[in-house]
Amino acid sequence: QVQLVQSGAEVKTPGSSLKVSCKASGGIFRNHINWVRQAPGQGLEWMGRIIPILGKGDYAQKFQGRFTFTADKSTNTAYLELSSLRSEDTALYLCATDISGYIYWGQGTQVTVSS
Amino acid sequence: EIVLTQSPGTLSLSPGERATLTCRASQSVGSNFLAWHQHKPGQAPRLLFYGASSRATGIPDRFSASGSGTDFTLTINRLEPEDFAVYYCQQYGSSPFTFGPGTKVEIK
Repeated sequence: QVQLVQSGAEVKTPGSSLKVSCKASGGIFRNHINWVRQAPGQGLEWMGRIIPILGKGDYAQKFQGRFTFTADKSTNTAYLELSSLRSEDTALYLCATDISGYIYWGQGTQVTVSS
Repeated sequence: EIVLTQSPGTLSLSPGERATLTCRASQSVGSNFLAWHQHKPGQAPRLLFYGASSRATGIPDRFSASGSGTDFTLTINRLEPEDFAVYYCQQYGSSPFTFGPGTKVEIK
């Protein structure tokens, strides 16, 4: 059974860093893992993706710089690392993958950045 | 980058009515890799259709989708109370994968 399970909600202070995890099961780790953001009151934004077996990230232009995608093949877990957090990083972060076009979603991780 | 435009922005309807949502791409979507997602606040999106018109597992047949190339449509017949949500189209045929701005289907 294909499943993506994300880490729990986080509250962070401005300037700190954060790592959100997305654990894959069901033999899907050879597929790319996408990261999607929804800021408060906004729509869904594709942040980019990583192909875990290659460890290579493909970033949407807006998310180049403070955002890093990594993956641990030994645990089938993908990570979204956010550095120098700002209040505008407050959002719901989602991972997703597709197998033969069928898209599977993680449950989402709420990140709140506040002093 | 493929830009997706959805219309209308908001659809105000009553339960039992039909909703017709459109998604237009700025260029042809590769392999018709166009998906429709239903999204409710605080939840993960729910895949409705993939590959433009293939219904996802568990999606009622009152939902239907069609289209190819640059023009796509999602239709919801006989709206149920649980159908009131925001609907996004997404293309995942070429990077960067992009979402439309969404159509909010609200209760009239």
